[in-house]
Amino acid sequence: KQEVTQIPAALSVPEGENLVLNCSFTDSAIYNLQWFRQDPGKGLTSLLLIQSSQREQTSGRLNASLDKSSGRSTLYIAASQPGDSATYLCAVKRASGAGSYQLTFGKGTKLSVIP
Amino acid sequence: DGGITQSPKYLFRKEGQNVTLSCEQNLNHDAMYWYRQDPGQGLRLIYYSQIVNDFQKGDIAEGYSVSREKKESFPLTVTSAQKNPTAFYLCASSTALYQETQYFGPGTRLLVL
Repeated sequence: KQEVTQIPAALSVPEGENLVLNCSFTDSAIYNLQWFRQDPGKGLTSLLLIQSSQREQTSGRLNASLDKSSGRSTLYIAASQPGDSATYLCAVKRASGAGSYQLTFGKGTKLSVIP
Repeated sequence: DGGITQSPKYLFRKEGQNVTLSCEQNLNHDAMYWYRQDPGQGLRLIYYSQIVNDFQKGDIAEGYSVSREKKESFPLTVTSAQKNPTAFYLCASSTALYQETQYFGPGTRLLVL
């Protein structure tokens, strides 16, 4: 059974600081890994998707890396801003048998960027 | 604007009552999903649908039912058999089952009176 862990559960940083969020998974046989952002009481917004054959993806101030063999991914946020405050979730996609797939989510890291 | 809409934003359920959560998308996506999110927890899959008139149980389907009569719509019914329905419910869609990325609706918060 795939388990996805995100550490820390909460993080508070001053504005302008660079930061790293961590995601680990127990089964390395994944197809891809996604990072999502969730604002309070809202749905999820996809930030970055890394295919299993890729090592990293970048979008603006965000950079996500994937080390499939060690079961780890990191989301790097450069020059953090108060608007980055949200919960960040990672999710891995793997085959679940009979031609089907499964997406397993972590519990998220709640980020607060202090002005 | 293309996207996913969910209604209502808040829903109250009385004991023994069935309630239905609406999910509509105009993205022309084949696949649709329902997730449940509890405080401090990851999302858990309730049901998913690959195409019209087809749907499959997810990890926590007991006490829930769905239908997929139209491509655009994937309503979720929380039945009286679901003993702990208080949660945040999220609907999502993708071009095909688990292909590319999933697009999420704004969610419905269900509370029990």
